[in-house]
Amino acid sequence: DIQMTQSPSTLSASVGDRVTITCRASQSISSWLAWYQQKPGKAPKLLIYKASSLESGVPSRFSGSGSGTEFTLTISSLQPDDFTIYFCQQYDNYPYTFGQGTKLQIK
Amino acid sequence: QLQLQESGPGLVKPSETLSLTCTVSGGSISSSSSYWDWIRQPPGKGLEWIGSIYHSGSTSYNPSLKSRVTISVDTSKNQLSLKLSSVTAADAAVFYCARHMSPSLGGGYFDYWGQGTLVTVSS
Repeated sequence: DIQMTQSPSTLSASVGDRVTITCRASQSISSWLAWYQQKPGKAPKLLIYKASSLESGVPSRFSGSGSGTEFTLTISSLQPDDFTIYFCQQYDNYPYTFGQGTKLQIK
Repeated sequence: QLQLQESGPGLVKPSETLSLTCTVSGGSISSSSSYWDWIRQPPGKGLEWIGSIYHSGSTSYNPSLKSRVTISVDTSKNQLSLKLSSVTAADAAVFYCARHMSPSLGGGYFDYWGQGTLVTVSS
């Protein structure tokens, strides 16, 4: 199985900050990586696919980059609604696997 | 707009079989571009992909659960189902059904999700 490791596990920031979350794969996954946002009690919501493609309807302050084994999710200017949990997911190979999550909290 | 809705018992006894159904609306489960998945999330923890099915009945399972999992599809009802046998407390989780687009079309990410259903394992 491909292991996905996110860092940091918790990130403290303020409204208006620019933040970056990193996801590392245990082997190359090309650009087959997605990012999700999950709010309490809700299903994950797709933000980014193919490492850098923005899902329709997702605000442009979200962006993704990377390829191979290292990927980043950047939020350019944090809004109050952004303080929640983020997951990465590889879909290069079955079994599809997720990172353990990054909790973005208000500083 | 595609919608997915999970249903099934919220409480299962240890050693018994967990059975859930996902009803798809707003689109056909027989779409040639869609695969249908089950994903679970223990309370306060991360996400685990359980397995996937195509409308033809072709399946892929997570090796960690493969011996206990069966995913099936009923195209006449636009539903997919999950059975997980010999459950223990470690299987307690929110179970989601989801869709991913065919890998041949660059898919594999989950773009539609159900709201999730919590299953508790207790006698």
